[in-house]
Amino acid sequence: EAQVTQNPRYLITVTGKKLTVTCSQNMNHEYMSWYRQDPGLGLRQIYYSMNVEVTDKGDVPEGYKVSRKEKRNFPLILESPSPNQTSLYFCASRTGSYQFFGPGTRLTVL
Amino acid sequence: SQQGEEDPQALSIQEGENATMNCSYKTSINNLQWYRQNSGRGLVHLILIRSNEREKHSGRLRVTLDTSKKSSSLLITASRAADTASYFCATAGGFLQGAQKLVFGQGTRLTINP
Repeated sequence: EAQVTQNPRYLITVTGKKLTVTCSQNMNHEYMSWYRQDPGLGLRQIYYSMNVEVTDKGDVPEGYKVSRKEKRNFPLILESPSPNQTSLYFCASRTGSYQFFGPGTRLTVL
Repeated sequence: SQQGEEDPQALSIQEGENATMNCSYKTSINNLQWYRQNSGRGLVHLILIRSNEREKHSGRLRVTLDTSKKSSSLLITASRAADTASYFCATAGGFLQGAQKLVFGQGTRLTINP
């Protein structure tokens, strides 16, 4: 089944404790991206990647890092999480104009 | 920013009625897409309309695009309880403005009452 998977789905952590949210797609898509969704703000793009080893900042990249060493994986790294990064995170991959979203990761930073 | 803005923010109708949601944006676009999100879950692509198209249909969905007014509307006909969800428009800019990037609006929360 064609899909985008994210792990973990739920995470509660404390300020400053590094964490990684994994994202994987099995559709051989070149383009992948990360979004965060907050009430009243809709979805905002954090980072995107046009292909392996090619990443670029989205609208709200501060406090996040990404890497794209393989086409299928696009992990999101929070080196020192802060409470304002509490949010619902979505990974997505894309072919042409059609974007496929993962199920989301609900992150709480205490 | 070319962010889309949906109107209304929330809409509640009776099952069987039609639901109309609107989206406005600020800059020129390559295409506009509509997505649906069930509570707390990932977004699902519904329909895409290109900048040179004015209307598109898919099942009970009808999308219109007016590039002169920088606006789009999504019509869901004969609504069902299962249509209860949030609906987002997303715009993709022209090549010189980053054709690969989608910018999402804040969404319309649609509730279908049985």
